[in-house]
Amino acid sequence: EPEVTQTPSHQVTQMGQEVILRCVPISNHLYFYWYRQILGQKVEFLVSFYNNEISEKSEIFDDQFSVERPDGSNFTLKIRSTKLEDSAMYFCASSIGEMGEQFFGPGTRLTVL
Amino acid sequence: GENVEQHPSTLSVQEGDSAVIKCTYSDSASNYFPWYKQELGKRPQLIIDIRSNVGEKKDQRIAVTLNKTAKHFSLHITETQPEDSAVYFCAASDQRAGNQFYFGTGTSLTVIP
Repeated sequence: EPEVTQTPSHQVTQMGQEVILRCVPISNHLYFYWYRQILGQKVEFLVSFYNNEISEKSEIFDDQFSVERPDGSNFTLKIRSTKLEDSAMYFCASSIGEMGEQFFGPGTRLTVL
Repeated sequence: GENVEQHPSTLSVQEGDSAVIKCTYSDSASNYFPWYKQELGKRPQLIIDIRSNVGEKKDQRIAVTLNKTAKHFSLHITETQPEDSAVYFCAASDQRAGNQFYFGTGTSLTVIP
């Protein structure tokens, strides 16, 4: 069964550094998402992406964040200048359409020191 | 925006007993309610979902009920087994463009053999 994949599984970075989190959505899916989960807190929506543009973004998704689909398979989340509070598990998800089930990746644990 | 509350945060049951997890939501426009199961170290996976045009849905030992008037929905697991032990997340969405999911805080279910 096809699955969403994410790399790396764990990323450690210094405050102020840029990080890129990578995701490969399920191949026939058209809608892509990033969520994050700070330890012990809710899974929070960051951004949704369709047809090479952002569909919706949350208040969390400020100018430090950007997303890109650089080729036909990858979907990336870039954080330009990481802060301590960016430490969280970041989940990528994809869906066939804009309604219904979203399939989640295994997550990337980002630790900002 | 939407706010989803989930209770309890932890739940322990004896194998064979039933488990019930409850969620409330605030936005009456929400019309899609998925439940995800996340085993330790693994990705969240959809186990059941319900749309606002039905009040109950069942899939083997798992059922979900929805009360639109009261804005709450519940997950029911009958005849629990040790492999049901996991964190369960409820979510709500109004399925607009962007298809943002609003998650609850999760319930850690432990089934004691």
